[in-house]
Amino acid sequence: EAQVTQNPRYLITVTGKKLTVTCSQNMNHEYMSWYRQDPGLGLRQIYYSMNVEVTDKGDVPEGYKVSRKEKRNFPLILESPSPNQTSLYFCASSYLGTANSPLHFGNGTRLTVT
Amino acid sequence: KNEVEQSPQNLTAQEGEFITINCSYSVGISALHWLQQHPGGGIVSLFMLSSGKKKHGRLIATINIQEKHSSLHITASHPRDSAVYICAVYAGNYQLIWGAGTKLIIKP
Repeated sequence: EAQVTQNPRYLITVTGKKLTVTCSQNMNHEYMSWYRQDPGLGLRQIYYSMNVEVTDKGDVPEGYKVSRKEKRNFPLILESPSPNQTSLYFCASSYLGTANSPLHFGNGTRLTVT
Repeated sequence: KNEVEQSPQNLTAQEGEFITINCSYSVGISALHWLQQHPGGGIVSLFMLSSGKKKHGRLIATINIQEKHSSLHITASHPRDSAVYICAVYAGNYQLIWGAGTKLIIKP
């Protein structure tokens, strides 16, 4: 089954403790992206990747890192999480990342930083 | 002012009603996406369109590029249509500009 798999679904952590949210897709998609969703603000892009070893900042990249060592995986790393990073996070992928490629989303990761 | 505005923010209707959700944008675009976010949080792509109209089951999406406006219609609405509907526009550079979403509740 074609899918984007995010883990974990829920994560509670403390300020400053490094964490990684994993994202994997099995559709051989070139484009992958991370978003955060906060009430009243809609989806905001954190980072995106056009292909292996190619990443770029989105609208809200501060406090986050990503890597794209393999085509299927695009982990989101919070080196020193802070409470303002408490949010619902989504990973998404598409074939080319262009206007004609639908986005496929993971199920989301709800992160709480205390 | 947001580049992508959706209206209404919230909509409650009775089962069977015809639903319209609007999306207006202020930038030049090459495509517009409509997505559905289920109460459980999952997000599904419904439509991508750059002109005219698309239909899938009871859902219809239209776009008017000159007026920078799109609408999503649901015919014969059902409680299972209750979700947040999100509009996003592709303005180039591999990034989408997102609307804040419209929360739809359909009562039985």
